[in-house]
Amino acid sequence: DAGVTQSPTHLIKTRGQQVTLRCSPKSGHDTVSWYQQALGQGPQFIFQYYEEEERQRGNFPDRFSGHQFPNYSSELNVNALLLGDSALYLCASSSGTELWTQYFGPGTRLLVL
Amino acid sequence: EDKVVQSPLSLVVHEGDTVTLNCSYEVTNFRSLLWYKQEKKAPTFLFMLTSSGIEKKSGRLSSILDKKELFSILNITATQTGDSAVYLCAVESYNTDKLIFGTGTRLQVFP
Repeated sequence: DAGVTQSPTHLIKTRGQQVTLRCSPKSGHDTVSWYQQALGQGPQFIFQYYEEEERQRGNFPDRFSGHQFPNYSSELNVNALLLGDSALYLCASSSGTELWTQYFGPGTRLLVL
Repeated sequence: EDKVVQSPLSLVVHEGDTVTLNCSYEVTNFRSLLWYKQEKKAPTFLFMLTSSGIEKKSGRLSSILDKKELFSILNITATQTGDSAVYLCAVESYNTDKLIFGTGTRLQVFP
């Protein structure tokens, strides 16, 4: 079982650019949640996808958008990057609404210059 | 607004010491409290607590929840260098399908 995988592992972008991060959930999981973790902070919930629809959203601007595919994998897109978007982006998969079953991926570290 | 506060923010101990990490919370319609260990990147699940006064135990780690006083503690006995990590506390509400995390406690265990 590969667990949750994310790509790329690291990324450097400049302000104003756009970025797409990818996540493949653990086998058997159908729900994907995305979190942003700034340095020295806990993960902040961005949004959650289930059955290819955004089910929950945290306090993030519309520059943050996502998608879930029929195979349950997911993408996180961030437009018009700001310096403050620099963070570790974590993807977590779970089975339905059982959040305690969440498995986290290794994350993508994004640096915006 | 729902929130989770962890203390201390940082802790430095020697191998063999016992540590207690604290997590207090305010959440509407509480469902569960979870503890995670984050060593490098991916947080890994430690415990889920839903009922007051029932201790969860796994080896040298244990945790308990007090739903009246709205806090939880995570104890680590006989610490080892491999326990060095950030320990995250998160709460889940019946109102939303998301976890709210605290800022974490960074534990460093020196030989």
